[in-house]
Amino acid sequence: KNEVEQSPQNLTAQEGEFITINCSYSVGISALHWLQQHPGGGIVSLFMLSSGKKKHGRLIATINIQEKHSSLHITASHPRDSAVYICAVSMNYGGATNKLIFGTGTLLAVQP
Amino acid sequence: GAGVSQSPSNKVTEKGKDVELRCDPISGHTALYWYRQRLGQGLEFLIYFQGNSAPDKSGLPSDRFSAERTGESVSTLTIQRTQQEDSAVYLCASSYRGGGNQPQHFGDGTRLSIL
Repeated sequence: KNEVEQSPQNLTAQEGEFITINCSYSVGISALHWLQQHPGGGIVSLFMLSSGKKKHGRLIATINIQEKHSSLHITASHPRDSAVYICAVSMNYGGATNKLIFGTGTLLAVQP
Repeated sequence: GAGVSQSPSNKVTEKGKDVELRCDPISGHTALYWYRQRLGQGLEFLIYFQGNSAPDKSGLPSDRFSAERTGESVSTLTIQRTQQEDSAVYLCASSYRGGGNQPQHFGDGTRLSIL
């Protein structure tokens, strides 16, 4: 079982739809990251959170530490949101937290 | 530059050759990470540098892989005697300091193809 699991693996939506991508993890973490990877490989950090909720434009990320679960929401989706969305966690290593452990990603296609 | 810079952007080489990949982190970032993404797979951690501390090499897949970083500047990832399974995109990231509560800034990667 992977330490970080995402669902769904693939998601197709119509423009304007509300989208949710889920991430569950099984290890102690210091932070959870949501990343966006466009075709061609460039990765952009969307959010880093350790509690509660963060919002940036049409994107919202939430985390429930007790349940070890996070969600990424996209409101009013647009074709330019089409990308791979990756959940990653920074693990606790006796206080020295560094490397990211990644989920396998969710491929999102938003159709006009 | 403003972002993490990696070179070359693409590298094609024959099996058995050595390759060297370069990463220029964002100026002032003390932490530097190397990751690998094989086709159709998720990202894998390779190695982490934080300032002058000993690097965390726990993700390097074999002794053919090594990396160096001088101070808080450029890092090179070297793969010796390349094999076809080394074909992947190699991504570098940096953060202002180490620790899990720092966002990581990624370069565009080096796409390595082993013939």
